[in-house]
Amino acid sequence: ILNVEQSPQSLHVQEGDSTNFTCSFPSSNFYALHWYRWETAKSPEALFVMTLNGDEKKKGRISATLNTKEGYSYLYIKGSQPEDSATYLCAFRGSQGNLIFGKGTKLSVKP
Amino acid sequence: NAGVTQTPKFQVLKTGQSMTLQCAQDMNHNSMYWYRQDPGMGLRLIYYSASEGTTDKGEVPNGYNVSRLNKREFSLRLESAAPSQTSVYFCASSVGLNRLYNSPLHFGNGTRLTVT
Repeated sequence: ILNVEQSPQSLHVQEGDSTNFTCSFPSSNFYALHWYRWETAKSPEALFVMTLNGDEKKKGRISATLNTKEGYSYLYIKGSQPEDSATYLCAFRGSQGNLIFGKGTKLSVKP
Repeated sequence: NAGVTQTPKFQVLKTGQSMTLQCAQDMNHNSMYWYRQDPGMGLRLIYYSASEGTTDKGEVPNGYNVSRLNKREFSLRLESAAPSQTSVYFCASSVGLNRLYNSPLHFGNGTRLTVT
């Protein structure tokens, strides 16, 4: 059974704080690692798709890194804003082909 | 450009009733998926269609059937609904599954289903 773990489960930060979360996944048979942002009452939206060990991707104040050898990815948010409040999902794609989602990290940013 | 459209948005069924959730995408994507989201669980794959004319089971296929009607449409059917199928269902699509592993999923807005 493939396991994708995200930590922490939830996070409360103040506006302006920088924060990061972790996604752990199997280190063998790696194909891709996805990050999605899921706002309440909306559907998940893709942030990044990462395929190579050492990949770093950035979109505005959000960035992600990937370590496929040890099986983890970090998502960083610099200077959190209330509009960053959402659940952040990671998903692992291995040789089996389908995406296995983690349970997400719920971020709340207080003004 | 609507993306992925799911209907209905809400549905209440009685145990034993049947229904079909509809999904359509207008992005010319090859692959389509059905997920369910339950409290405390990650998104779990029910069925997927790698390309038009093919369907395969995901992690939790029991109690469901699917039809890939054409390239645009992928429906999910509950033949005899059970309370355990109370969930939020998401349809998604991507450019491809087998060759394009760097292709993100595009999700519909979800269907909230309650089975009493």
